Amino acid sequence: GESVGLHLPTLSVQEGDNSIINCAYSNSASDYFIWYKQESGKGPQFIIDIRSNMDKRQGQRVTVLLNKTVKHLSLQIAATQPGDSAVYFCAERRNNAGNMLTFGGGTRLMVKP
Amino acid sequence: EPEVTQTPSHQVTQMGQEVILRCVPISNHLYFYWYRQILGQKVEFLVSFYNNEISEKSEIFDDQFSVERPDGSNFTLKIRSTKLEDSAMYFCASSAREYTGELFFGEGSRLTVL
Repeated sequence: GESVGLHLPTLSVQEGDNSIINCAYSNSASDYFIWYKQESGKGPQFIIDIRSNMDKRQGQRVTVLLNKTVKHLSLQIAATQPGDSAVYFCAERRNNAGNMLTFGGGTRLMVKP
Repeated sequence: EPEVTQTPSHQVTQMGQEVILRCVPISNHLYFYWYRQILGQKVEFLVSFYNNEISEKSEIFDDQFSVERPDGSNFTLKIRSTKLEDSAMYFCASSAREYTGELFFGEGSRLTVL
């Protein structure tokens, strides 16, 4: 759904624990999904992507899961570190949208030492 | 590590004034983008640009907006007559490939319209 205003969902985890950040998307025609990390005062930074013909993709310490049945995307971060503290956005490319990405509302991850 | 650079970092302008935001994309990238983020809201697509032409634009990118690659290194966003609602962080991005989410974003230019 839409996320308007200053409030961001926040996930607080202990350093070393695993983090799971969730994202719901609304367009069943979306064929490509991306996770970005945005640290304070910086632009979004690409983390990992997944195409709609896959349900899982792994990177370095991160895994993205895609459940097209319920239109749900998640980002799992293993052994969360203080440097992982940031706002995390999911983004989707709606079918035939070319280069246009539609961003979600973001989740703030806070890592406690 | 190559990065996208944007200037100015912050610009304050009066309503109705023209503003040009500048970006230097990563040198071997061919695809360029502008996104914006109004405070507390989502990142929104404005425009994509390739081969000296606009590839796609959103509904936000109306006649008040234009983009240009005036030379081999700069990519600019011009807002002809700024409105209060144009106040936002404007992010430039570039990519090496088309149809990719692996965009490299700059740190943004904060525009404040008074």
